[in-house]
Amino acid sequence: DIQMTQSPSSVSASVGDRVTITCRASQGIISWLAWYQQRPGTAPKLLIYGASSLQSGVPSRFSGSGSGTDFTLTISGLQPEDFATYYCQQANIFPYTFGQGTKLEIK
Amino acid sequence: QVQLVESGGGMVQPGRSLRLSCAASGFTFSDYGIHWVRQAPGKGLEWVAVIWYDGSTKYYADSVKGRFTISRDNPKNMLYLQMNSLRAEDTAVYFCARDRLAFSINWFDHWGQGTLVTVSS
Repeated sequence: DIQMTQSPSSVSASVGDRVTITCRASQGIISWLAWYQQRPGTAPKLLIYGASSLQSGVPSRFSGSGSGTDFTLTISGLQPEDFATYYCQQANIFPYTFGQGTKLEIK
Repeated sequence: QVQLVESGGGMVQPGRSLRLSCAASGFTFSDYGIHWVRQAPGKGLEWVAVIWYDGSTKYYADSVKGRFTISRDNPKNMLYLQMNSLRAEDTAVYFCARDRLAFSINWFDHWGQGTLVTVSS
């Protein structure tokens, strides 16, 4: 199975800050990567697919990059509603796997 | 609008069975692959299984292979997860999630609200 490792596991930031979350795959997955946001008590929400494509309706302050094994999610100009947990997910090979999550907290 | 509504969760003893359902509406169900994803209390997301739009192909996580079976009834717009030989570690909220594009299998763009399964004696 492909292991997805996110870093950091948690990060504190302030409204207006720029935050970058990293996801590393244990083997190459080309660009078969998505990012999800999950707020407490709710279902995850797709933010980015294909490593860098913005899902419809998602604010442009979210961006994704990377290919192969190393990927990043960047949030520019944090808003109060962005404080949540973020997961990466690979869709290159079954079984699909998620990263362990990165909790973004308010400083 | 796209809606996915899970049901069938509850408390069950180890070794017993449970069947989850996911009712879909607002889209052409028979055109989309559908997944089950679970989340143990306070933990991260774990992909469980997928079924192709036409039911022809299914894949499972190693942790549930041989115990869980995913199926669908396209005329009824329903997805199912038959869970047998349940273990304590299967305790989780189970989400059904639709694939982003018709006739493709990769990202999950619509999710249900989830149904909680608790395996305990």
